[in-house]
Amino acid sequence: GIQVEQSPPDLILQEGANSTLRCNFSDSVNNLQWFHQNPWGQLINLFYIPSGTKQNGRLSATTVATERYSLLYISSSQTTDSGVYFCAVSANSGYSTLTFGKGTMLLVSP
Amino acid sequence: KAGVTQTPRYLIKTRGQQVTLSCSPISGHRSVSWYQQTPGQGLQFLFEYFSETQRNKGNFPGRFSGRQFSNSRSEMNVSTLELGDSALYLCASSWGTAMNTEAFFGQGTRLTVV
Repeated sequence: GIQVEQSPPDLILQEGANSTLRCNFSDSVNNLQWFHQNPWGQLINLFYIPSGTKQNGRLSATTVATERYSLLYISSSQTTDSGVYFCAVSANSGYSTLTFGKGTMLLVSP
Repeated sequence: KAGVTQTPRYLIKTRGQQVTLSCSPISGHRSVSWYQQTPGQGLQFLFEYFSETQRNKGNFPGRFSGRQFSNSRSEMNVSTLELGDSALYLCASSWGTAMNTEAFFGQGTRLTVV
């Protein structure tokens, strides 16, 4: 099946700093989503972005489908941005479903 | 518009028992997928139902089963519980299949097997 690799696995920032999270995938995709998992375990949708660029406030994302990667940018980070960020993809073949990366654990300190 | 609702939120069961978890998708969504999240294995796909038919199944033993009703609500059942089944179980709904439409997740059911 499709492989999803996220980097870095852990990231520690001071409040106000910017960061870039990366998601590499091994096959062409129909679906790519970024999630933030809150402390209670719920996955919060950040972006649905199988290709192109989107922005939502301090967050933006870019997916370059032809090169099989996606980037999530967090600007002017806040302590509430702390948590685990997941990338999930669905391959463009058969009866595929969402496959998750292992996540990036982000800690923003005041 | 209500989100994805999972019940119960927390559950404690004894080894050997069985458990049923419920998921009500967003109104109008026809696909429900289930995932198991553990610290060691991360988020692993269990199964996906679309219009009452199982569309895909992950690599889990037959003790894990599910179904979807005509109103798109879904249940998953785990029989003969093992300690290793302790996990956060997440349900996702999407209008089309999870392959090509955006998926939205519920708050999860945290199952502890003792």
